[in-house]
Amino acid sequence: DTGVSQNPRHKITKRGQNVTFRCDPISEHNRLYWYRQTLGQGPEFLTYFQNEAQLEKSRLLSDRFSAERPKGSFSTLEIQRTEQGDSAMYLCASTREGGHEQYFGPGTRLTVT
Amino acid sequence: EDQVTQSPEALRLQEGESSSLNCSYTVSGLRGLFWYRQDPGKGPEFLFTLYSAGEEKEKERLKATLTKKESFLHITAPKPEDSATYLCAVPPFSGGYNKLIFGAGTRLAVHP
Repeated sequence: DTGVSQNPRHKITKRGQNVTFRCDPISEHNRLYWYRQTLGQGPEFLTYFQNEAQLEKSRLLSDRFSAERPKGSFSTLEIQRTEQGDSAMYLCASTREGGHEQYFGPGTRLTVT
Repeated sequence: EDQVTQSPEALRLQEGESSSLNCSYTVSGLRGLFWYRQDPGKGPEFLFTLYSAGEEKEKERLKATLTKKESFLHITAPKPEDSATYLCAVPPFSGGYNKLIFGAGTRLAVHP
């Protein structure tokens, strides 16, 4: 296993710009999750995919946020019209079929100026 | 409401000084409790899963235990490299293991 990878690792953007993050899960893991983590807090669930189907979305995921997993492999998380409150670490995790443990990537730190 | 609370928020230990971190939860029908370690600027690293009261898991200087209301992470003779934030998480009552509810973590600093 090469682990979950995320790109970019850091992103600085100006308020109002759109940003897109990518997550590559552990190979053969069919479930993929996105979380957001702010300083001093634990990760908060955003959304979840089983293969290419997005099965659950948190109320935290406003209409400015969209996530895709078009071929059931990598996933992208897009934030449109970024706001300063979007500044956070965005974490991706994956789980194998039938597994319970979520394995996290290194995260993408977003700073909105 | 499903909730996870960790204490203390921060803990400073001398190398070799054993201690315990607490994770209490309010979720009906616990279906598992997960411990993670998180280093600054990195994603959480999976440590343990506990499923039933009385269960214990060990890894090097760490031992996790579970009761019906809380879990403890015991750190025996810690070393500076054990310094990190330790997070616990549970799946909510409704739904499967498709999302985790995390506590805010305990920031552990071990000094030589």
